[in-house]
Amino acid sequence: SAVISQKPSRDICQRGTSLTIQCQVDSQVTMMFWYRQQPGQSLTLIATANQGSEATYESGFVIDKFPISRPNLTFSTLTVSNMSPEDSSIYLCSADRLAGTYNEQFFGPGTRLTVL
Amino acid sequence: GENVEQHPSTLSVQEGDSAVIKCTYSDSASNYFPWYKQELGKGPQLIIDIRSNVGEKKDQRIAVTLNKTAKHFSLHITETQPEDSAVYFCAASDTGGFKTIFGAGTRLFVKA
Repeated sequence: SAVISQKPSRDICQRGTSLTIQCQVDSQVTMMFWYRQQPGQSLTLIATANQGSEATYESGFVIDKFPISRPNLTFSTLTVSNMSPEDSSIYLCSADRLAGTYNEQFFGPGTRLTVL
Repeated sequence: GENVEQHPSTLSVQEGDSAVIKCTYSDSASNYFPWYKQELGKGPQLIIDIRSNVGEKKDQRIAVTLNKTAKHFSLHITETQPEDSAVYFCAASDTGGFKTIFGAGTRLFVKA
């Protein structure tokens, strides 16, 4: 399985500021994803990070609020912009690796964000 | 689009008993069904998966079953241990990860 690391692991931020979360995979992967997980809730896909092109956002998420970069096949960043307390959540990076004819999806440890 | 329902939301069992978590999905095109375990403060960890061409898969104390006709799949944990306590998520996708839809999660408590 792929090993995924995220930085920072947690942060406390003031409203109106921005935070960039980094995601590093230990090997090249086809797809990378960013999820949000509210406390006690399931995972909500924010966007798919495409290498060399703009990210694909899910309904309810926009690029201005959550700009994403993916400069190569092992690294991606998610920025949470102009933060408000409603952005307090766990942000998870995920990646796919081909296993036979299917893609297995793996997750990083998450970034716990608190906005005051 | 795909919708995945998961039950129960909370499950409490005695150590050594079995635990069963059930999920249903709506999109008949789904053909890959992973299960994840999430411990407190950690990211979800893939523990087992099942593809549409099989009806059952087992890995030590964990087994998954799939009924494509009824569109439901289940996770079975036998001889539960306190370290099995966690939140478990089922998921479904049509091409193996490109669009994975997660269930709401089941919080499993194993009492020693």
